[in-house]
Amino acid sequence: QVELQQSGPGLVKPSQTLSLTCAISGDSVSSNSAAWNWIRQSPSRGLEWLGRTYYRSKWYNDYALSVQSRITITPDTSKNQFSLHLNSVIPEDTAMYYCARDRPDILDGFQPWGQGTLVIVSS
Amino acid sequence: SSELTQDPAVSVALGQTVRITCQGDSLVDFYASWYQQKPGQAPLLIIYGANNRPSGIPDRFSGSSSGNTASLTITGAQAEDEADYYCNSRDRRDHRVFGGGTKLTVL
Repeated sequence: QVELQQSGPGLVKPSQTLSLTCAISGDSVSSNSAAWNWIRQSPSRGLEWLGRTYYRSKWYNDYALSVQSRITITPDTSKNQFSLHLNSVIPEDTAMYYCARDRPDILDGFQPWGQGTLVIVSS
Repeated sequence: SSELTQDPAVSVALGQTVRITCQGDSLVDFYASWYQQKPGQAPLLIIYGANNRPSGIPDRFSGSSSGNTASLTITGAQAEDEADYYCNSRDRRDHRVFGGGTKLTVL
């Protein structure tokens, strides 16, 4: 059974970098059939896909246009985890952040999800 | 357009059938997946592909698609089905897009 465990601070100051980590158990971040995603949810923006990292003989990333200039998602094969870095945060980045796996060629949907991390952007 | 549109709220009488819809141009080319979210919980995948349910999802949940509209049908709605439901698909850049969500009330 695959489980995703999120960690990271719940409070970030404006203009600083939001960093969250998602530890994977039961699968590999280097899997050739999985993609590792970050998704956020807020009352004003609903569910918003932020981006993903995945390995297909080499590493790839895709980022949502809304955050493309500020986001980096990085894999860590030594710890079997992946991380979200969102820089220059503003109060509108306040949201519940989730990590999630999808396997487009096997089960085209996000499953499982991490437990969620509420991140508040405030001074 | 890569947007997905859902009705904000739908209600159904206990034991009756309800359909929740999701409209968007991308649905002509790509299937939607559907998620159920209850308060304080992460979304849960309930339908993916043409009409597939992950293990453990009751068979009263089903999915369908026609043109630019995907539908989630609950046949014989139960009290525990009261939740928010979200559709998700992809656009031509293979980016994922969510609908705005539908709040289902079971009367």
